[in-house]
Amino acid sequence: AQSVTQPDIHITVSEGASLELRCNYSYGATPYLFWYVQSPGQGLQLLLKYFSGDTLVQGIKGFEAEFKRSQSSFNLRKPSVHWSDAAEYFCAVGAPNTDKLIFGTGTRLQVFP
Amino acid sequence: DTGVSQDPRHKITKRGQNVTFRCDPISEHNRLYWYRQTLGQGPEFLTYFQNEAQLEKSRLLSDRFSAERPKGSFSTLEIQRTEQGDSAMYLCASSLVDSPLHFGNGTRLTVT
Repeated sequence: AQSVTQPDIHITVSEGASLELRCNYSYGATPYLFWYVQSPGQGLQLLLKYFSGDTLVQGIKGFEAEFKRSQSSFNLRKPSVHWSDAAEYFCAVGAPNTDKLIFGTGTRLQVFP
Repeated sequence: DTGVSQDPRHKITKRGQNVTFRCDPISEHNRLYWYRQTLGQGPEFLTYFQNEAQLEKSRLLSDRFSAERPKGSFSTLEIQRTEQGDSAMYLCASSLVDSPLHFGNGTRLTVT
């Protein structure tokens, strides 16, 4: 069965520090992979997606993620975090042709000045 | 592109009452999804439509829940005889085939 694991429930970083949010997935074939961000009381905004091709994908707001098939991982990175990046981040896996997404439980990011 | 619109933003209801939520997708999107999100969890898939056809329903969608998309445009999600366990954020999303989902801001339901 498809599943997504985000091992870190809560991460705190200082503004300007680098960030890596972990995501591991379980899927029988090459999945579609996504990172979404959610601010309190809001819906989800797509940061980036991986469908195929280059395993390092660039997204909005300076985020990037790398698909590593051998590790079943799709970790999200940002070289320098801004206070406005504080939010909940969700990794998701999708099956081609359905677009139905399975989400992880999320990682809450806090940013200190 | 006005985005996915959901109404109402918040709904407080008493246990046993029926509630209905509306979702207006991005106009050219033919797929529409409903998800439920409880506190501290990621969104969980409930159901999705392609045009007016409901193609899949999760086992989470009990017989008290019904979703429609009568003309392939907006959709409604109705919960009958609400229970306290139905309290959650109900998220709607839309997409084109094999394209990322665009989410609305959700309807927060509180059942007292």
